[in-house]
Order: sequence, then structure tokens, then C-alpha cells
Amino acid sequence: EPEVTQTPSHQVTQMGQEVILRCVPISNHLYFYWYRQILGQKVEFLVSFYNNEISEKSEIFDDQFSVERPDGSNFTLKIRSTKLEDSAMYFCASSDGQGYTGELFFGEGSRLTVL
Amino acid sequence: QQQVKQSPQSLIVQKGGISIINCAYENTAFDYFPWYQQFPGKGPALLIAIRPDVSEKKEGRFTISFNKSAKQFSLHIMDSQPGDSATYFCAASPNSGYSTLTFGKGTMLLVSP
Repeated sequence: EPEVTQTPSHQVTQMGQEVILRCVPISNHLYFYWYRQILGQKVEFLVSFYNNEISEKSEIFDDQFSVERPDGSNFTLKIRSTKLEDSAMYFCASSDGQGYTGELFFGEGSRLTVL
Repeated sequence: QQQVKQSPQSLIVQKGGISIINCAYENTAFDYFPWYQQFPGKGPALLIAIRPDVSEKKEGRFTISFNKSAKQFSLHIMDSQPGDSATYFCAASPNSGYSTLTFGKGTMLLVSP
């Protein structure tokens, strides 16, 4: 069964460092998303991406965040200068060609710990 | 107005019992209401979803009840099993699911043997 894969599964970084989280969405999906989940809290939308550009972003997704699809398979989330409050589980998700978010396919997540 | 409020935060149910999780929303533009199930160490996965043109949807042991006037919807798990132990998130989206999902805070369900 096709799945969304994410790397790394866990990353520990020092405050102020840059972090890149990587995702390989399901191959025929065209819409990509990043969500995050701070421990014990709700899953929060960060950004959606389609046709090589951001289609929607939340207030959380400020200038320190960026997304990129550097090649035909990877979708990355970069946090330029990490803060303590960026510690969370980051989920990549994808959906098929019509932008239908009714069924998002989530990866297993990348846990980011900022010290 | 974008919030989806979910309760309870955690729930313990005996095997064979009924698990009930409730959600409420304010944004009347929401017209698609999925439930996601998340096992430890995994990403959320779609469990069941409902649109406001029906008041109930059933898939196996899982049922969504929807009350449009009260802006509330709930998940019922009949004959709960230990394998159902997971975190359940309700969510909502406008535009029939073609826009961003807003999630509730999640309910951690433990079904005791």
C-alpha cells in the first residue's frame, strides 16, 4: 500500500540552528501539507503546497519556515532558526489530484526537539 | 471561529462497551467532518467522515452522529476492543473537504481487556 514517508524520525537540535525535515509523498498525489502536533495538543495546520507554490499557510508558518519540492519526489520543510517552542511532531501529508483534503494521508512524523 | 472543540481529553472504556467522543464547532462554513485515528508512533489515519446532509453514518462498529442545528458531531465506537486504543481526532473543513482541515485536540481512548 502506498504511504507517505518522513525522515528523520527524530531530530534533536540546538536553539537557533536550521533544520530540514523531509517527506516523500504518495507518488500520484499533487497536494502536500505540513502539520505539527505539540505534545498533548491538537494537530495544527502549517502549510499546503500545490504546483510548486504555497496554496495556503497558517499564522504559525512565519518567515522562519519555508517549504520546497526540490525534485519530483521530495517535499521539505525548513525551519531557519529553531526556537524552543518549535519542539513538536511534524507530520507531512498528501492528497490526490483534486485537492480533496477529506482524506489526507499522513506520514509517521518527524519529532523535533529543540534544546 | 475556526476552532473545533473536542471532549473528553481521555477516556477509559471496558472491552465490549461503547466509547463516545464529542466535538463542537462554530464556523458554519464547515461542511465536512472526518475522524482520524492515531496509534502511538504513527500518523493520523482517516477513520470515517460525514457531511451535513445526513445525521448519521455507520461503518462497522464506528458511527458518526451529526447535529447540524447544535453544530455538534460525535463518534461512537460500539463493542469497543483493546485494539481500538488510540488517539481520536475530530476535524472539520469547509468547501466539502477541498480546504484545510481544522483538528480538535484529540481524545486518548484506552479500552481495558
